[in-house]
Amino acid sequence: QVQLQESGPGLVKPSETLSLTCTVSGGSISSSNWWSWVRQPPGKGLEWIGEIYHSGSTNYNPSLKSRVTISVDKSKNQFSLELSSVTAADTAVYYCARDGLPGYQDYWGQGTLVTVSS
Amino acid sequence: DIQMTQSPSSLSASVGDRVTITCRASQDISSFLAWYQQKPGKAPNLLIYTTSTLQSGVPSRFSGSGSGTEFTLTISSLQPEDVATYYCQKHNSAPWTFGQGTKVEI
Repeated sequence: QVQLQESGPGLVKPSETLSLTCTVSGGSISSSNWWSWVRQPPGKGLEWIGEIYHSGSTNYNPSLKSRVTISVDKSKNQFSLELSSVTAADTAVYYCARDGLPGYQDYWGQGTLVTVSS
Repeated sequence: DIQMTQSPSSLSASVGDRVTITCRASQDISSFLAWYQQKPGKAPNLLIYTTSTLQSGVPSRFSGSGSGTEFTLTISSLQPEDVATYYCQKHNSAPWTFGQGTKVEI
């Protein structure tokens, strides 16, 4: 059973960079799946941020592309999210997830709340 | 980019009722449509993908249909544990866009 766990700071200052890591257990990040980040502002809907393949190939949501970097560390079975120049609008629960084939998310982490505030 | 629109945004029904949620895509997405259930404070849970394929472990009272631009999620007999928000998502090509959600209450 694949399990995912997000980790990282729960509070980030405006204009700084949000950094989160997702640790995958019960499966290999080098499988034939892509790995995604999805976020959900408080009381709002889901927004797909982007995804990565173990080769390092990425796809990003055009609305966030200029500020997002997703990377992978196969040795640690982890992938990471960086979102730069954050504002209060980036306050959300951030989820990592495994992509099915293609594009839907079949396994999810529990999510981590990141608040952008000074 | 393709936009996904769900209707209604919320509904209230009784236990045992048949419930239908609609999702419309702004362009043809063939059969690449997924549905998720999200309960308060929890991560979304995949129910259905490629329009009608039930994810393992999902009760058979959930079903999906449609193609092209119009899709439906049906709960054949609403149960108390089905109280949640439901999201559709296109999965034909990135970006994997979600609908805005439908809140189901009893």
